[in-house]
Amino acid sequence: LAKTTQPISMDSYEGQEVNITCSHNNIATNDYITWYQQFPSQGPRFIIQGYKTKVTNEVASLFIPADRKSSTLSLPRVSLSDTAVYYCLVGDMGGRGSTLGRLYFGRGTQLTVWP
Amino acid sequence: GAVVSQHPSRVICKSGTSVKIECRSLDFQATTMFWYRQFPKQSLMLMATSNEGSKATYEQGVEKDKFLINHASLTLSTLTVTSAHPEDSSFYICSARDLAGGTEAFFGQGTRLTVV
Repeated sequence: LAKTTQPISMDSYEGQEVNITCSHNNIATNDYITWYQQFPSQGPRFIIQGYKTKVTNEVASLFIPADRKSSTLSLPRVSLSDTAVYYCLVGDMGGRGSTLGRLYFGRGTQLTVWP
Repeated sequence: GAVVSQHPSRVICKSGTSVKIECRSLDFQATTMFWYRQFPKQSLMLMATSNEGSKATYEQGVEKDKFLINHASLTLSTLTVTSAHPEDSSFYICSARDLAGGTEAFFGQGTRLTVV
């Protein structure tokens, strides 16, 4: 299973764009890249998922280069409520011998947004 | 997104007793659910994979006789912490994936277990 590496912490100010990069050098062909957000004493919340190139939804964008060995979560115009831990995970999408759903969390990135 | 509900959200028990935590997928069916444990200031650690109608698969180092998992239906998995001790105090989180609807996993709100 692919191991991920992220910065331990990041700081930003309200209204700024935040980019968190994750390295996953041994990502497998069937692996998707998924980002979760976690507030203290809550379960992780799904943010965005992608396989390659760029994915955008109402809360974030995910940039994945052609080699898929890294990915960048982009949060536009962060607010104080975006202060949380952000996890980057890779996991397969199914098929024979699938470990679908088994996600191994790294240390995550503590994002702190200041006023 | 799909909803996964855990109950209770918080429980305090005496050392030596057993505690059951429920994980339900409210609006989808999940043949597989997952249990995680999270200690303060640490990441989530996968404990086991709960398979409907069959035995759970435990991660290395997780005691299967201490953490009993039952997945009796397509919407319910339970984790029982047997003979709990203070070191079992932790935040337990379950997740499930709607195999009919996508590839993202949905997490419950977590259960804070305190063993006194």
